[in-house]
Amino acid sequence: GENVEQHPSTLSVQEGDSAVIKCTYSDSASNYFPWYKQELGKRPQLIIDIRSNVGEKKDQRIAVTLNKTAKHFSLHITETQPEDSAVYFCAAKLTGYALNFGKGTSLLVTP
Amino acid sequence: DAMVIQNPRYQVTQFGKPVTLSCSQTLNHNVMYWYQQKSSQAPKLLFHYYDKDFNNEADTPDNFQSRRPNTSFCFLDIRSPGLGDAAMYLCATSRVGNEQFFGPGTRLTVL
Repeated sequence: GENVEQHPSTLSVQEGDSAVIKCTYSDSASNYFPWYKQELGKRPQLIIDIRSNVGEKKDQRIAVTLNKTAKHFSLHITETQPEDSAVYFCAAKLTGYALNFGKGTSLLVTP
Repeated sequence: DAMVIQNPRYQVTQFGKPVTLSCSQTLNHNVMYWYQQKSSQAPKLLFHYYDKDFNNEADTPDNFQSRRPNTSFCFLDIRSPGLGDAAMYLCATSRVGNEQFFGPGTRLTVL
């Protein structure tokens, strides 16, 4: 089955700096890669996703890049703000199967 | 406005006393999922329904059962809760190949 590795497990940045979280996946047939943000005690919420036919996608301060050859994808947050502090999960999915989540990255943005 | 609804939001049960958690959706999605999430961990898939087809994860304990009487509703039954089953239980829905929407979760406490 699909195995998703996520790094780092914790990340601390100063407000205004950029944050990068990286994930690798094992199954080259995976074709959908979402990123979820989960604040303490709340549900995971989709912040951005990318499909295997696209190399990069951007939404305001958030961007995701996908390298299919290397089987890795990354989340980039620019101009971080304290409200970006949360746990971020990457995931990979094959059509017809459920999401496989990474173990999560706890991001802390300090003022 | 709510799309994926879970009831109750908080459930306290006694060791060994059966409990049922419910999930409903207004999205008319054909896939519904149940995840277990423990503190500081990623959501762990227990099972999912593709329409009426039930798909159990290999490592989901027999103690956990599910029912999906119609498209809108899905139930998680824990037959004999143990202390180790205390967790947040998340329901999610999707159309095949598309993003998953999570419900707010039910926090289960086992005394």
